[in-house]
Amino acid sequence: ETGVTQTPRHLVMGMTNKKSLKCEQHLGHNAMYWYKQSAKKPLELMFVYSLEERVENNSVPSRFSPECPNSSHLFLHLHTLQPEDSALYLCASSQTTGNEKLFFGSGTQLSVL
Amino acid sequence: EDQVTQSPEALRLQEGESSSLNCSYTVSGLRGLFWYRQDPGKGPEFLFTLYSAGEEKEKERLKATLTKKESFLHITAPKPEDSATYLCAVQAYGGSQGNLIFGKGTKLSVKP
Repeated sequence: ETGVTQTPRHLVMGMTNKKSLKCEQHLGHNAMYWYKQSAKKPLELMFVYSLEERVENNSVPSRFSPECPNSSHLFLHLHTLQPEDSALYLCASSQTTGNEKLFFGSGTQLSVL
Repeated sequence: EDQVTQSPEALRLQEGESSSLNCSYTVSGLRGLFWYRQDPGKGPEFLFTLYSAGEEKEKERLKATLTKKESFLHITAPKPEDSATYLCAVQAYGGSQGNLIFGKGTKLSVKP
């Protein structure tokens, strides 16, 4: 098993759809993250979870809804997205939130039509 | 405002041609500076963490250095497999938990 696994790898959705992104880490880490990577822009932190509790929400629109049922799994629920939300969504984990040596998944490339 | 600027945006080298990538930062108090490598279609992969001015880290053909205002990633005698986008990120004291501030990256291409 690779360290951090994300599914699906690619997703195309309409603006009225509801979909979910899934992330699973096999590293025994206590912190998990969602990042957004858009073309020509820096990586942008969206959410941070530590021991299944959300500790950071970086002013993300409510059409993105995270869920962390346990320390190994992280979801990002999507609804009524906009075309500008098209991007690569990356999940990462680290031992703790104080240790920013992040391990990233390969991402979900999202296209919103 | 905390900020990270990487230069150049893109760099093309011939195999064996050594060079350096720059990461300039403005941060209220530096807790750590991180270098990551990102291959196409993949997430970033951790390379180094630097904590204080004067610190250096090495890994194969890569060497990262840190001053009070910038970091350099030196690539010695690069090979085509070193082609990737290199990302720099900083973590500030007093910053939000888990919040790394990333630069836009330098896309490195090494031709045989």
